[in-house]
Amino acid sequence: QQPVQSPQAVILREGEDAVINCSSSKALYSVHWYRQKHGEAPVFLMILLKGGEQKGHDKISASFNEKKQQSSLYLTASQLSYSGTYFCGTEGMFSGGYNKLIFGAGTRLAVHP
Amino acid sequence: DVKVTQSSRYLVKRTGEKVFLECVQDMDHENMFWYRQDPGLGLRLIYFSYDVKMKEKGDIPEGYSVSREKKERFSLILESASTNQTSMYLCASSSGGAEIGSPLHFGNGTRLTVT
Repeated sequence: QQPVQSPQAVILREGEDAVINCSSSKALYSVHWYRQKHGEAPVFLMILLKGGEQKGHDKISASFNEKKQQSSLYLTASQLSYSGTYFCGTEGMFSGGYNKLIFGAGTRLAVHP
Repeated sequence: DVKVTQSSRYLVKRTGEKVFLECVQDMDHENMFWYRQDPGLGLRLIYFSYDVKMKEKGDIPEGYSVSREKKERFSLILESASTNQTSMYLCASSSGGAEIGSPLHFGNGTRLTVT
C-alpha cells in the first residue's frame, strides 16, 4: 500500500524543469509532499485535498487526480536549493477508521549549476 | 515554529538491549508518529497516536512498542534490539486529531546502530 514514486532520481541543470509523480492503489483523501535535504528532517511543502483544496508552498505547484489516485509535483526553473529527496505521502481510510500518512520511497533530485 | 525534539541524534546499542527513543513536541499537537527511514524504502510508519494513552499500529510494528503518557511526549521502545533495527528513526507530530490534511512536523531523527 506504499505509494509509488517516479522517477527514482533526477539530475537537472539550474533553470530546468522536473515533474515527480506519485501513485497509489488505494482511494485517497489527500496527498502530501515533503522535501528532505541531506542530514536534515523532511520539511512540509504542500498538501492536496480531495475536492481540490491545496495548502502550502506558493512557489511549487502540484496536481491531484482523485479518480486515478495520482499526484504530480512540478518544479519549474529549478534552483540549487531544490536539491534533496522528495517524498509523497498519501492519506486514505484504513482499518480502525483512522487516517495515517504512508510515504513513498522518495525521488532524489540534484540540481547542478 | 513547531519544535519536535528527539532526545538523541546518534545511538549505539548492543543486540538484545532494551532501547528507548524519546520524542517531545511543544505545540500541543494531538497526533504523533514514529517512522523509520532506510535507503530505497522511504519512510515507513511504525506506530502512531491520536491522543494520550492511545496508540495504533503502522505498517511495521513488529519488534516495537510505544508509550504516550503525556500529550507532548511519544516514546518508541525496542524491547530487544536486533541488528535489523539499525536505521534512522524519525518522530513527527501534527494537529487536528483524525482530521485530514494536517502537515507533519518532523524531528531531526535518531540514527540507531545495533551491534
